[in-house]
Amino acid sequence: DTAVSQTPKYLVTQMGNDKSIKCEQNLGHDTMYWYKQDSKKFLKIMFSYNNKELIINETVPNRFSPKSPDKAHLNLHINSLELGDSAVYFCASSQVASGLSTDTQYFGPGTRLTVL
Amino acid sequence: AQSVTQPDIHITVSEGASLELRCNYSYGATPYLFWYVQSPGQGLQLLLKYFSGDTLVQGIKGFEAEFKRSQSSFNLRKPSVHWSDAAEYFCAVPNQAGTALIFGKGTTLSVSS
Repeated sequence: DTAVSQTPKYLVTQMGNDKSIKCEQNLGHDTMYWYKQDSKKFLKIMFSYNNKELIINETVPNRFSPKSPDKAHLNLHINSLELGDSAVYFCASSQVASGLSTDTQYFGPGTRLTVL
Repeated sequence: AQSVTQPDIHITVSEGASLELRCNYSYGATPYLFWYVQSPGQGLQLLLKYFSGDTLVQGIKGFEAEFKRSQSSFNLRKPSVHWSDAAEYFCAVPNQAGTALIFGKGTTLSVSS
């Protein structure tokens, strides 16, 4: 059973399109995250949700909009895709109810987004 | 502000040799420290973590790390490397609010036969 799953695994699209990446965790965790890994493998937090509430919104363009329909899901919608959005996007979850990041984070396998 | 530095971008080690990956941190208080591993094409997996107590922490896959406050370091070690250890290794600390992890830029480990 996959703990944190993401779909799709690969996403190739044209500039200007709108796309979504879905994330689901079956660990019963309260906090979920989106990270972006660039071509140099640098990982940076984008968003954090705790029990469907936004905790962190780092300096991410407002073309990126996370949506959490319930605490097991955190989807990422991206409008008007740009070349610079090409990256690997990782979803993660952790158990800590308070949203603090001192607990172990469990990562999904990643979604490789390529914008042409 | 909290930060993590991994000075080595790429390390190559012979199979069976020992390994040490360096991590230096900047943190306001007693740090929480993590090492994650990313195998090719995979997500990140926790190797080990330090919160308090014994400064030598044991992790999965035979890895250990030692917290040295005087050197602001949390280096990862393994006595004998296997070819399957070839991966990207990330050191991380929580941000100031404790709401997300700040990752180092990673060290790529290659294992030669």
